[in-house]
This record gives sequence, structure tokens and C-alpha cells, in this order.
Amino acid sequence: EVQLVESGGGLVQPGRSLRLSCAASGFTFDDYAMHWVRQAPGKGLEWVSGISWNSGSIGYADSVKGRFTISRDNAKNSLYLQMNSLRAEDTALYYCAKSREIAVAGTVFDYWGQGTLVTVSS
Amino acid sequence: SYVLTQPPSVSVAPGQTARITCGGNNIGSKSVHWYQQKPGQAPVLVVYDDSDRPSGIPERFSGSNSGNTATLTISRVEAGDEADYYCQVWDSSSDPVVFGGGTKLTVL
Repeated sequence: EVQLVESGGGLVQPGRSLRLSCAASGFTFDDYAMHWVRQAPGKGLEWVSGISWNSGSIGYADSVKGRFTISRDNAKNSLYLQMNSLRAEDTALYYCAKSREIAVAGTVFDYWGQGTLVTVSS
Repeated sequence: SYVLTQPPSVSVAPGQTARITCGGNNIGSKSVHWYQQKPGQAPVLVVYDDSDRPSGIPERFSGSNSGNTATLTISRVEAGDEADYYCQVWDSSSDPVVFGGGTKLTVL
């Protein structure tokens, strides 16, 4: 059974940093691209970032480019999101999502975690 | 960047057919994927590549895509189908993963 378990969310002041983690199990982690998707309270889904199986291809939404960094450790079956210079508009539930593909391009999200909540407020 | 437009809400009686649309410029040339999200839960993939269903998704869920509109069709709607539904595509632009704004399906 595929499991994606996010952690690292919490309350943080504007301008500060936070690092999210996603522990994956139940599939061959390094065979698939992985992504972060967020959902602000009461709002729709917004893609944040994606990383290919070997970290060779990485993409970011314009809204986080230059502030967020995605990475993965295939030996630990883990996905990460380093979030710097956080803003109030980054407040959201952050989902870790598995792609059906090995590459970032053409992504379909076939499994999602339950999310970790990030609240940016002073 | 590419924009996907969904109706905010669709209502249907139990046993009837619900159709949720997703509009985009020449969306028929792209692969469209659909997700179901029930309150307090993570999204679930219900249709991918326009019309394919993941294992475990009932045959009542189907999809089509042509021209400027993709459609998710839910036949014989049940109370348990009440949820938000999102369409999604990949676009070779600055924000390549695009979601529609979501449609709330209400079962009357």
C-alpha cells in the first residue's frame, strides 16, 4: 500500500523558514517523480514544485521560485521542501503527491498524502 | 499561463448523471486528469489521460476531451459522490501544472 506521510508544518513568522518532509513507502520511490501541491484554507489546489526521479529535472511555480527548494533522498525514500522568506500567502495545507511518471513533465498525481499545515503569521 | 475554467457548482439528484466541465484553450490537445476531494480528505485521482480510470474507481466515472472542453461524467450519482472535483493538465509554460478552480458537486 502506497503511503505518503508529510511532516514539518507549523506556525511561523513572516520572513522565516520551514522545512517540510514526506516519508514514502509501499512503492519503489526512485522510479517516480514527486511533487508538492498546496491548498490554502477554503481554496483550490495549487502546484508548488516537482522533482524527477533522479533530481535531474526540477520545476517551481512562479509564486515560490527563488524562495522554495525541493529535494529528495532516494536512499531514505524521502521528499523535502525547504521554504524560505515565507509570506502570509504561503499559508496552506501542503500535500506530498506521487507522480505516475518518472519525469516531472506530463505529471499525473496518483497518490497524495494527508498534508501538513503551514501557517505564516506574526 | 494556461487557464482552466470550471463551474463553481453542479447539482444533481441521486441516480442521475452529473457532468462537470473544464474549459481551456484547445484543451483537446492536452491530457486532462480529474481529482475528487471530499471534505477534510486528500484528493483522489478518478480519471487520467482524458478517459482512463485508476484501479478501484467505479465505471460510473468517465471522461472525455475535445476542442475547448473536457468533461467528467458521473453516472448513477450516489450521495457518496458529493465532493469537490478538480481538472488538471500539464502545460509547457512557466507554471506547467495547472488546476482548474474546482467544482462542488452537490447531490440533492
